Amino acid sequence: GENVEQHPSTLSVQEGDSAVIKCTYSDSASNYFPWYKQELGKRPQLIIDIRSNVGEKKDQRIAVTLNKTAKHFSLHITETQPEDSAVYFCAASRETSGSRLTFGEGTQLTVNP
Amino acid sequence: DADVTQTPRNRITKTGKRIMLECSQTKGHDRMYWYRQDPGLGLRLIYYSFDVKDINKGEISDGYSVSRQAQAKFSLSLESAIPNQTALYFCATSDPGTGTDTQYFGPGTRLTVL
Repeated sequence: GENVEQHPSTLSVQEGDSAVIKCTYSDSASNYFPWYKQELGKRPQLIIDIRSNVGEKKDQRIAVTLNKTAKHFSLHITETQPEDSAVYFCAASRETSGSRLTFGEGTQLTVNP
Repeated sequence: DADVTQTPRNRITKTGKRIMLECSQTKGHDRMYWYRQDPGLGLRLIYYSFDVKDINKGEISDGYSVSRQAQAKFSLSLESAIPNQTALYFCATSDPGTGTDTQYFGPGTRLTVL
């Protein structure tokens, strides 16, 4: 089955700095890579996703990059703000009829004012 | 997301007791999932169901069972609860027919087994 590893487990940055979270996956057939944000005491919510037919996707201050050859993908947050503080999860799956997501272990991001 | 609800939100029980966690959704999604969240271990899949007649084990199904009573309802049971089942439990739904298999999570149930 799929195995997803996520690094770092904790990340502390100053407001305005950039943050990068990296994930590696084991199943070369995986083709869907979402990122979820979980604020303290809240449910996980999708913030961005990428499919294997593209190498990068951006949404305002958030971007995700994918390297299929190396089997890793990364979340980039620019101009971080205190409200970006949360746990971020990456995930991977084969987006087929029988697939389901495998999650990384999460990264606790703290943005210091 | 109020479209996915879980009951109860918090539960304290004793070792050996049977407990049921319930999940309901009004999103009309066929796919439903139960996850367990422990500190530092992310979200681990317990069971999933792609339609009412389809039930599949996830990576940590031992000690758990599920029932898909209808498209909108998916229940998780602990037949004989043990302390290491203390965790935060999330239900989720998805509908790949929308063009993406985005999962929508319920608010979670915090379960403590004494």
